[in-house]
Amino acid sequence: NAGVTQTPKFRILKIGQSMTLQCTQDMNHNYMYWYRQDPGMGLKLIYYSVGAGITDKGEVPNGYNVSRSTTEDFPLRLELAAPSQTSVYFCASSYASGTIQFFGPGTRLTVL
Amino acid sequence: GENVEQHPSTLSVQEGDSAVIKCTYSDSASNYFPWYKQELGKRPQLIIDIRSNVGEKKDQRIAVTLNKTAKHFSLHITETQPEDSAVYFCAARTSYDKVIFGPGTSLSVIP
Repeated sequence: NAGVTQTPKFRILKIGQSMTLQCTQDMNHNYMYWYRQDPGMGLKLIYYSVGAGITDKGEVPNGYNVSRSTTEDFPLRLELAAPSQTSVYFCASSYASGTIQFFGPGTRLTVL
Repeated sequence: GENVEQHPSTLSVQEGDSAVIKCTYSDSASNYFPWYKQELGKRPQLIIDIRSNVGEKKDQRIAVTLNKTAKHFSLHITETQPEDSAVYFCAARTSYDKVIFGPGTSLSVIP
């Protein structure tokens, strides 16, 4: 099992550009999450999903969108990138609420 | 809103000493409390978790305690080793299925 995979590993965007961060898990987990981690800071929940077709906002959803058309994939869309979105983005998945979250390797995004 | 506080933000201990990290949560309906370790440049990984029906849980040198009345829980690491140096995050599952993380504690174990 590959676990949770994320692409790309690194990306530099110009202000106003858009991009999609990809996240895939092969553990048949129902729950998936997107977090951002600013330098030296904790993990902030952006969006989460409790199953295909169901998504909900986390702590810091502004400037982002998500979709969950399959159990395996949970892409995060950035529209009109801003310098404040410079961060490391982690995707995670868990079998159910209240169970271990497995994290992907992260995507380091810089917006200039 | 839901919030998880964590103290201290940095902690230095001598090798072999114990380390304690404390967290408080705001949502009284929270019932699952995991702890994650993040080494520099790596992804967070679960080290231990506790559920609300248990007051204490141990796994070798690591233990977690939970006080539901006071809404706080703590991580205890005994006989610390240099490889314990990392950032530790506490978290709480809220009543809306969200998992909210604390801001992290940077632990340095001095040989």
